[in-house]
Parts: sequence; C-alpha cells; structure tokens
Amino acid sequence: QKEVEQNSGPLSVPEGAIASLNCTYSDRVSQSFFWYRQYSGKSPELIMSIYSNGDKEDGRFTAQLNKASQYVSLLIRDSQPSDSATYLCAVPSGGNFNKFYFGSGTKLNVKP
Amino acid sequence: DVKVTQSSRYLVKRTGEKVFLECVQDMDHENMFWYRQDPGLGLRLIYFSYDVKMKEKGDIPEGYSVSREKKERFSLILESASTNQTSMYLCASSSGQPLTGANVLTFGAGSRLTVL
Repeated sequence: QKEVEQNSGPLSVPEGAIASLNCTYSDRVSQSFFWYRQYSGKSPELIMSIYSNGDKEDGRFTAQLNKASQYVSLLIRDSQPSDSATYLCAVPSGGNFNKFYFGSGTKLNVKP
Repeated sequence: DVKVTQSSRYLVKRTGEKVFLECVQDMDHENMFWYRQDPGLGLRLIYFSYDVKMKEKGDIPEGYSVSREKKERFSLILESASTNQTSMYLCASSSGQPLTGANVLTFGAGSRLTVL
C-alpha cells in the first residue's frame, strides 16, 4: 500500500469554480500535512500546511484534515487559469516525522 | 528565504559513466533529501540525510549513493549510469524540527538527467 494516495486527474474546472483535491495517507500517527503546487518544468512549492483536524484557510485556499479518516483535502475557491498545475500532497512519516512521502499528484486544469 | 541550489539543471551522460549531482542549502537545515520524479510515479525518495555523514535509504536507493561531508552539501552519486536513471532529480532540505511550522521541505530547481 502506498503511503500517500491521490487521484491523478486531470481535474478540469471552469474559471471561478471551486476545485477540490483529495489525499489519503496510511500512517495513522502522521501529525503534519502539506500541499505543494508544481508548475510544468518547475520544482514543487509549498502552498499550505495543516496540523490539526478541521479547516485552515489562506486566501483562496482551504486545507481540510480528518485524522480519523486519514484524509486531507485542498479546496481552491474562485479558480483561476494560473492555478493550473499539479498539486502534491506530502506527509512526513518515519521515526521522527522527517521523511516526507508524496502522493503522485493531481493535475488541475482551470479552463477560461 | 531558504535557498536550495542544484549545480546542474540539465545533464546528458552516457551509460556507464559516473555522475555527481550536487546540492547546497544555505539555511543550516539538518535534513536533506534526494528525490526523483517520473511521469505517473510522482516523487520517490532515493536517500535522506539527517546529519553530517548520516544517511538513510529511501524507497529506491538501488544504483545510487550519497555523500554528506558538510552540513550544507548533499551529493547524489550514480556509480554507473543506466538509461533507466533518466529522470528529474530534486534535492530538498528541511529544518528537522518535526511538528513545527519550520519543518517544511524546500526544493531546489531540479536537475534533469538524460542517460544515453
């Protein structure tokens, strides 16, 4: 079983819509969760981190965490064409929670 | 800003050559990582270092070795390059303070290696 799983997509949404990206993880004791955005040909960049159950909002982005169900999601409100990218879920695991495991990423296309 | 610098953006090597990929970070981070990224497979951890001269295998260490002689520098070595090692290689570092907002992975720009 993979440590971190995401739907590969592509997920297509019209401009202005809400994009919903999901991620599940296998390590029950994981404590922190990260969403990275990766544009084509570029390296991943951090968008959001979340540590507690519930929602965390940052501008148009909302991360949601449910530790009991072992899933974390990212909502992008008012999606823009510039949001078109691959979104990677990362979960630190291992003895000191220092090894970062990534999902395979969800490709998002925002259509003008 | 944390800067993670990878020495080469693009490399072309021949099968059997020894390849060195260098990575330097400037924020005194404890942890450094090498990942490779392939279409459909996502980011896979090759090796991880949590201190100078300390290393730990990731999920796909076969065919690779690493060196960390100084805290800021982490090198990935392909002893005898093969065509199946053609990939994007990403170096990253983190503070090593788990469960804190500082324990964030920061990536270098990547090194695209082609092995002919």
